[in-house]
Amino acid sequence: DQQVKQNSPSLSVQEGRISILNCDYTNSMFDYFLWYKKYPAEGPTFLISISSIKDKNEDGRFTVFLNKSAKHLSLHIVPSQPGDSAVYFCAATGSSNTGKLIFGQGTTLQVKP
Amino acid sequence: DADVTQTPRNRITKTGKRIMLECSQTKGHDRMYWYRQDPGLGLRLIYYSFDVKDINKGEISDGYSVSRQAQAKFSLSLESAIPNQTALYFCATSDPTRSNEQFFGPGTRLTVL
Repeated sequence: DQQVKQNSPSLSVQEGRISILNCDYTNSMFDYFLWYKKYPAEGPTFLISISSIKDKNEDGRFTVFLNKSAKHLSLHIVPSQPGDSAVYFCAATGSSNTGKLIFGQGTTLQVKP
Repeated sequence: DADVTQTPRNRITKTGKRIMLECSQTKGHDRMYWYRQDPGLGLRLIYYSFDVKDINKGEISDGYSVSRQAQAKFSLSLESAIPNQTALYFCATSDPTRSNEQFFGPGTRLTVL
């Protein structure tokens, strides 16, 4: 059973526009959520996170929104840049700093110039 | 220089062979992790280690074993490789105070024929 789901395998947006990547989870015990970004031939890199006590966290062009009642989070990238083209993984944990992350399948974002 | 290195980067082997994947880090982190990535499944945790004497199974540990030789080194072994262990393997590290924000190596692509 996939506890963290990214239902869109791919997304294509124009440079300068908003990219919205979505993630759904099923386990109500999850209390911390993260987004990782992965370029080809490299390992994932941490991008942004949010605790379940918040509904929004912002870092520059990146904002993560959390809707606990819907068990849904999203990553907004504004404005999108060609260098943002990568695979984005959503991850969740309910084990409070154990590092036991449950990852989604990933969404490939392509930002066209 | 990379903070988390993995060797080999690519490996092709045959069914039944014993394989060891190695991970080294210079970040000084106590915590280390092994994941595998499969298409459509995201990353799944195989084993994790909080220090040299503390090793724990993750989601999918069957068919794998690990060794934490030192704080900086964490090896993953496939005792008798099988084709469905063909995957991309990542090592990661984290600081104990921020275990969810993990630093990944570049990955090892393993093919079992």
